[in-house]
Amino acid sequence: DTAVSQTPKYLVTQMGNDKSIKCEQNLGHDTMYWYKQDSKKFLKIMFSYNNKELIINETVPNRFSPKSPDKAHLNLHINSLELGDSAVYFCASSQNQGTLGSDTQYFGPGTRLTVL
Amino acid sequence: AQTVTQSQPEMSVQEAETVTLSCTYDTSESNYYLFWYKQPPSRQMILVIRQEAYKQQNATENRFSVNFQKAAKSFSLKISDSQLGDTAMYFCAFMKHQGGSEKLVFGKGTKLTVNP
Repeated sequence: DTAVSQTPKYLVTQMGNDKSIKCEQNLGHDTMYWYKQDSKKFLKIMFSYNNKELIINETVPNRFSPKSPDKAHLNLHINSLELGDSAVYFCASSQNQGTLGSDTQYFGPGTRLTVL
Repeated sequence: AQTVTQSQPEMSVQEAETVTLSCTYDTSESNYYLFWYKQPPSRQMILVIRQEAYKQQNATENRFSVNFQKAAKSFSLKISDSQLGDTAMYFCAFMKHQGGSEKLVFGKGTKLTVNP
């Protein structure tokens, strides 16, 4: 069974379109994240949610809107896609145990987004 | 601000030999966690090892071990008996507490190639 899954794995779309990426975790974790990996492989956090509440928003353009219908799901919706949005997007999850660093983050397989 | 530096963009090693990947970080916190993640060509982010800063003992996981030097803010990864399957990008990461959540701050990665 996949612990953290993302759909789709690949997404090719035109500039200006709106698209969504879905993430689900079956680990019972209460915190979920979105990271972006650019063309140089650099990984940076975008958002984190804890029990459906937005906790971290790392100065991401407001064209990106995360939505968490329940604590097992965190979807990423992107409006008006731009060429610079092309990247690999990773979802991750962890169990917030209340102790700094006790929450090892487990990653999904990533979604490669290509904007043409 | 926390930063993580991996000074070796690329490295190579012969199968069965030992290789060390370097990582330095900058923080004013006294207690924190450090991680090494592996990203093979499949793109999956895989946790290799984690180290708790308050523990003096270096973490080990089978063929993987770290040399954690807290005063020097250094966290290198040693891979013993390298195998072809170790070929991957390796990312060093620092866990930073932010609000009610935590985020990983990544280095730029080291591309490791294991040669037969």
